[in-house]
Amino acid sequence: RKEVEQDPGPFNVPEGATVAFNCTYSNSASQSFFWYRQDCRKEPKLLMSVYSSGNEDGRFTAQLNRASQYISLLIRDSKLSDSATYLCVVNKRDYGQNFVFGPGTRLSVLP
Amino acid sequence: DTEVTQTPKHLVMGMTNKKSLKCEQHMGHRAMYWYKQKAKKPPELMFVYSYEKLSINESVPSRFSPECPNSSLLNLHLHALQPEDSALYLCASSQDTVGDTGELFFGEGSRLTVL
Repeated sequence: RKEVEQDPGPFNVPEGATVAFNCTYSNSASQSFFWYRQDCRKEPKLLMSVYSSGNEDGRFTAQLNRASQYISLLIRDSKLSDSATYLCVVNKRDYGQNFVFGPGTRLSVLP
Repeated sequence: DTEVTQTPKHLVMGMTNKKSLKCEQHMGHRAMYWYKQKAKKPPELMFVYSYEKLSINESVPSRFSPECPNSSLLNLHLHALQPEDSALYLCASSQDTVGDTGELFFGEGSRLTVL
């Protein structure tokens, strides 16, 4: 089993749609959680950190369920510019910092 | 603009060449990373340096040799690579202090082609 798993995608949605991504992780000792966004042929960039209480940043909402080892990302009112690959990232902090990436879910927002 | 600078942006090398990838950050971060990314795959961790000491080596072949001359610089020395080593090599840094957010900051990457 992979350490971090995500919806396989791709997701093709119309502008204005709401889309949800799911992620699960296997190491219960993992300490911090993130969603990164990666555009084609670019480096990954932090979209948002994920906190146990849930957090929101504009159209983006992230949730963490430590008991179920599950992370989610909700995007409301999708824009064309949201088209990218969304990477779920877990920091195991076992031998120091150790960020593990999920396989990513590709999102295409269509006009 | 990224605050992690990688050079060169593109590199083409033969299997007998020796080359190096360089990475620099001036954010005072104490952890630095090398990741390898193949097309349509996520970044795969290769090495982590924490406070200039190698803390993680993910069983990377010895033809890849990392070096951390100081807290701002990270090199990846390449020797006798194989065509399957062609990939985007990403450098990243993070604070690595107690209570930090743990955010990774990536450079734009060095795209390597091995002929």
